[in-house]
Amino acid sequence: AQSVAQPEDQVNVAEGNPLTVKCTYSVSGNPYLFWYVQYPNRGLQFLLKYITGDNLVKGSYGFEAEFNKSQTSFHLKKPSALVSDSALYFCAVINNFNKFYFGSGTKLNVKP
Amino acid sequence: DAGVIQSPRHEVTEMGQEVTLRCKPISGHDYLFWYRQTMMRGLELLIYFNNNVPIDDSGMPEDRFSAKMPNASFSTLKIQPSEPRDSAVYFCASRSDRGGKNEQFFGPGTRLTVL
Repeated sequence: AQSVAQPEDQVNVAEGNPLTVKCTYSVSGNPYLFWYVQYPNRGLQFLLKYITGDNLVKGSYGFEAEFNKSQTSFHLKKPSALVSDSALYFCAVINNFNKFYFGSGTKLNVKP
Repeated sequence: DAGVIQSPRHEVTEMGQEVTLRCKPISGHDYLFWYRQTMMRGLELLIYFNNNVPIDDSGMPEDRFSAKMPNASFSTLKIQPSEPRDSAVYFCASRSDRGGKNEQFFGPGTRLTVL
């Protein structure tokens, strides 16, 4: 069965510091992994995805994610956080039948 | 492209009333998804369609919920009768599978309040 886990309900970081939002996955076969961001009262917005190739994936707004097969992880990272990055972040995996499985979400708080 | 369009954006109704939520996917997308988001349960997939055909409705909570996709540019999610516990934000999303495993594009959501 496919699933993703986001072990942290909330991550707090100071503006200018690096941030990491964690995600681990469980899939049968090759994983197709995604990160989405949700700002208050908005729908989810696509940030980046890993399908194949380079393990370091770069996405929107300066975010990147590293695919680690041995640790079955796909952590979201940004070298320098902005207050405007404060939002809810979702990790997702897609199965062979094109069904998305979303994690429970991690609330990122970036403080000035 | 205007993106995924949902209507209404907000709906307030009384228990027992019928509620219909509407979605227009991005043109050319062959998958359409309905999600529900609540504080307690997070983001839940209710049902999804491929080429207008329902593929997986295992997330539909009960018979009071039904979804249709009469054509490639329109889908509805209906709740009849509605109950207070149906209060949530309902999202529609669409995607195209051309070129590989592609991301979903979400609409702005419909915030439903059942009194």
